[in-house]
Amino acid sequence: SYELTQPPSVSVSPRQTATITCSGDKLGDKYACWYQQKPGQSPVLVIYQDNRRPSGIPERFSGSNSGNTATLTISGTQAMDEADYYCQAWDSSTVVFGGGTKLTVL
Amino acid sequence: EVQLVESGGGLVQPGGSLRLSCAASGFTFNNYEMNWVRQAPGKGLEWISYISTSGSIIYYADSVKGRFTISRDNAKNSLYLQMNSLRAEDTAVYYCARKATSAGFGFDYWGEGTLVTVSS
Repeated sequence: SYELTQPPSVSVSPRQTATITCSGDKLGDKYACWYQQKPGQSPVLVIYQDNRRPSGIPERFSGSNSGNTATLTISGTQAMDEADYYCQAWDSSTVVFGGGTKLTVL
Repeated sequence: EVQLVESGGGLVQPGGSLRLSCAASGFTFNNYEMNWVRQAPGKGLEWISYISTSGSIIYYADSVKGRFTISRDNAKNSLYLQMNSLRAEDTAVYYCARKATSAGFGFDYWGEGTLVTVSS
């Protein structure tokens, strides 16, 4: 079965750039999405179709996807961005989520 | 305002059954594909099922295939998940999530979830 691999944790200083990766076989041939989930809350879609932001998502969130890796980039990271982030892709007729990355803003 | 409200969760014994519902409002329900996603306590997201706009196409994760059944009633703007032969590892918060029909679109709205606990 298809797997997406994320680092368990990433740390970043306020106002710096956070980068979260998601790896999967030929992931660049699929569309990647990213979700943010804060404790006790439902996930929120922050990136879809590799690099598109839903309405209401700040411009500091961006995405890319090429080769075997999709990347979520948060520029000028703020304390409010501290959360778990999950990548997601479709593989054939199934949806696959990455294991999640806990972003800590130190 | 788009709203998805899950209900039907609770405590059930191993081997038992539950039926979850998701009431949709604020959008044209029959224009959207729907999904169930669960999250075990302290764990990550796990997709478990998909249903197309008309209900004619359905997919399941291997972990629930043969035990869970997804369905929808477009006249009632509702999504369902019938869960049979429940196991301890099915304990999780269950979310319904909508998806636009175009490829690459993610799950743009999620409910608040309903907790299912499988325990004797």
